Amino acid sequence: GESVGLHLPTLSVQEGDNSIINCAYSNSASDYFIWYKQESGKGPQFIIDIRSNMDKRQGQRVTVLLNKTVKHLSLQIAATQPGDSAVYFCAETPPSAGGTSYGKLTFGQGTILTVHP
Amino acid sequence: DAGVIQSPRHEVTEMGQEVTLRCKPISGHDYLFWYRQTMMRGLELLIYFNNNVPIDDSGMPEDRFSAKMPNASFSTLKIQPSEPRDSAVYFCASSSSGTGADTQYFGPGTRLTVL
Repeated sequence: GESVGLHLPTLSVQEGDNSIINCAYSNSASDYFIWYKQESGKGPQFIIDIRSNMDKRQGQRVTVLLNKTVKHLSLQIAATQPGDSAVYFCAETPPSAGGTSYGKLTFGQGTILTVHP
Repeated sequence: DAGVIQSPRHEVTEMGQEVTLRCKPISGHDYLFWYRQTMMRGLELLIYFNNNVPIDDSGMPEDRFSAKMPNASFSTLKIQPSEPRDSAVYFCASSSSGTGADTQYFGPGTRLTVL
């Protein structure tokens, strides 16, 4: 039979444009969220994180927004560059329960970002 | 600073053979994670350790898979016997509870092909 893989959402932008990548997370009790960037042939690379007591956090050219009401996370990349082309994953972690769930991340399926020069 | 180190970077083996993947976490990190990534299933957590002790192995697919962490600077993931459906990229990651954050840092991965 024909194999079926994950169909990742894709986003194509022009160099210099701003990019917004969205993620719906699953656990309303999650209290820590991370965005990772994965380039072809490499491991996921940490970009930015946010705790559930915040709704916005800014880094260098990146901003993460958290909307706990609708369990939505977004990553905004300003002045997108060709080097930003990669797969972007959001990840969530539930609150620690006696340390048993510390550090156990649940990853989203990812979004492919393609930046055209 | 050296990041997470994995070896080998690529492994090609035949069905039925034993495969051992190796990982050296970032020095001082007390958590170590093994993940598998495929096009079909995305990134899956297999097992993780805290202070060299396995905490959660619920993601290990079956008894053919085993993982050990004999000391704070070394871990192995073994598949015996290997099967073609084990073909994937295997990542090791580490994190430090001392920073108060759960950020995991990933190695470059081992691409395993089982023929």
